[in-house]
Amino acid sequence: GAVVSQHPSRVICKSGTSVKIECRSLDFQATTMFWYRQFPKQSLMLMATSNEGSKATYEQGVEKDKFLINHASLTLSTLTVTSAHPEDSSFYICSASLGAGGAFFGQGTRLTVV
Amino acid sequence: QKEVEQNSGPLSVPEGAIASLNCTYSDRVSQSFFWYRQYSGKSPELIMSIYSNGDKEDGRFTAQLNKASQYVSLLIRDSQPSDSATYLCAVNDNQGGKLIFGQGTELSVKP
Repeated sequence: GAVVSQHPSRVICKSGTSVKIECRSLDFQATTMFWYRQFPKQSLMLMATSNEGSKATYEQGVEKDKFLINHASLTLSTLTVTSAHPEDSSFYICSASLGAGGAFFGQGTRLTVV
Repeated sequence: QKEVEQNSGPLSVPEGAIASLNCTYSDRVSQSFFWYRQYSGKSPELIMSIYSNGDKEDGRFTAQLNKASQYVSLLIRDSQPSDSATYLCAVNDNQGGKLIFGQGTELSVKP
C-alpha cells in the first residue's frame, strides 16, 4: 500500500516552546492530507484538512493560530504546535488521502509537553 | 451531523473463533467504507475497503456492506491473539477523501 512517513515519532518539549511535525507521502502525490489527535482510549479526532497550495480547513474548536498547518508541496504537510502546554500532550497522526480509496496514515507522533 | 457508530467493546473471543465487528452510519449517500486496525500506541492500518453491497473477502477477513440498512461489518475467521487490537470503522465523507471514524471496537483474542 501507499506509504506515509511521519517524523518525529516521539518528541518531548518544554512548555511554551513550539514543535513541528512532518508528514510525507513517499510514493504518491497527496493534494489533501489530514491531521488527527488521539487521547488514550479514545478515537481519532480530526483537527484539520491540509490542502496543497491553500489554507488548511480547521474543525470546530481547533485553534488555527495554535496548530499551524503548511502544505507547501504535493508530498509534504507540516503541523506546528505553537506555545505548547501540557494539555497539548497527545498522539498526533497525519493521513494522506487517496480520494474515494481511503487514506493511509503516518506512524504518528507522541508529543509530551513538560 | 454525520455519524459512525460502533460498539466500544471490549469484545473477547477465544483463539480460532470468528470475531464479528459491527458498524452503522448515518449518511445514506456514503459510498466508501473502510476498516482500520490500530494496535496500542500505533497508528491505524488499513485492512479492508468495501464499496458495493455484499461481501468482500481477503484472507481471514470478510467485510460485509448493506447500504439499505446503513450497516457494515467485519468478520475475522480463525482469530489469533495477534488480532487483538482496536478496529476502527470509517466512512468517506464525500469531501475530498475526508473520513469519519467510529469510536472503535477493542478486540481481545484469548489463547
